[in-house]
Amino acid sequence: DAKTTQPPSMDCAEGRAANLPCNHSTISGNEYVYWYRQIHSQGPQYIIHGLKNNETNEMASLIITEDRKSSTLILPHATLRDTAVYYCIVRATYSGAGSYQLTFGKGTKLSVIP
Amino acid sequence: EAQVTQNPRYLITVTGKKLTVTCSQNMNHEYMSWYRQDPGLGLRQIYYSMNVEVTDKGDVPEGYKVSRKEKRNFPLILESPSPNQTSLYFCASSFSQGGDSPLHFGNGTRLTVT
Repeated sequence: DAKTTQPPSMDCAEGRAANLPCNHSTISGNEYVYWYRQIHSQGPQYIIHGLKNNETNEMASLIITEDRKSSTLILPHATLRDTAVYYCIVRATYSGAGSYQLTFGKGTKLSVIP
Repeated sequence: EAQVTQNPRYLITVTGKKLTVTCSQNMNHEYMSWYRQDPGLGLRQIYYSMNVEVTDKGDVPEGYKVSRKEKRNFPLILESPSPNQTSLYFCASSFSQGGDSPLHFGNGTRLTVT
């Protein structure tokens, strides 16, 4: 799977949009971009994923650049409960047997400030 | 509510005393997996199962056993726990192991072996 690069930390004012960037310059055509977050020592929480097109769900929006070398996760109205470590992961589409590899890097620690 | 449930949340035991951590999902997912999370090492896969009665080793299977007799349950068994198995454990499930299938995690089991 391609490697990702994220800033180690970011701050965001409560109520404002949080924009978390991720670089994945070596991504290949069959690799998805996934975003997870982990609050303290809770289980990683799935947020959103995409292949080529921008995606939106009830939690966030995912903007993928046209060349797919980078993406941005947008939390439209950040709250204090969004304070967490956010992980951007690139994952290939598998065919046949194999393990579900999810390589979590160091992520971005997002602090939402009151 | 769709979820992955692990029990117990916290477990303290002594070396050599067999233990089982249970995992259950209510989403009719085919794929289930166990991970351990240690500081500086990220998430490492222990075992996974692609369907009932089908299990396979992940990256760090030594000292662990699993079984998948029913689709919804995937217990993790430590026959003779040792202190180096002290860790935070997560069970996860997904509809399939395909790239377009998000992995959903339980809330974790913090195990301490003395």
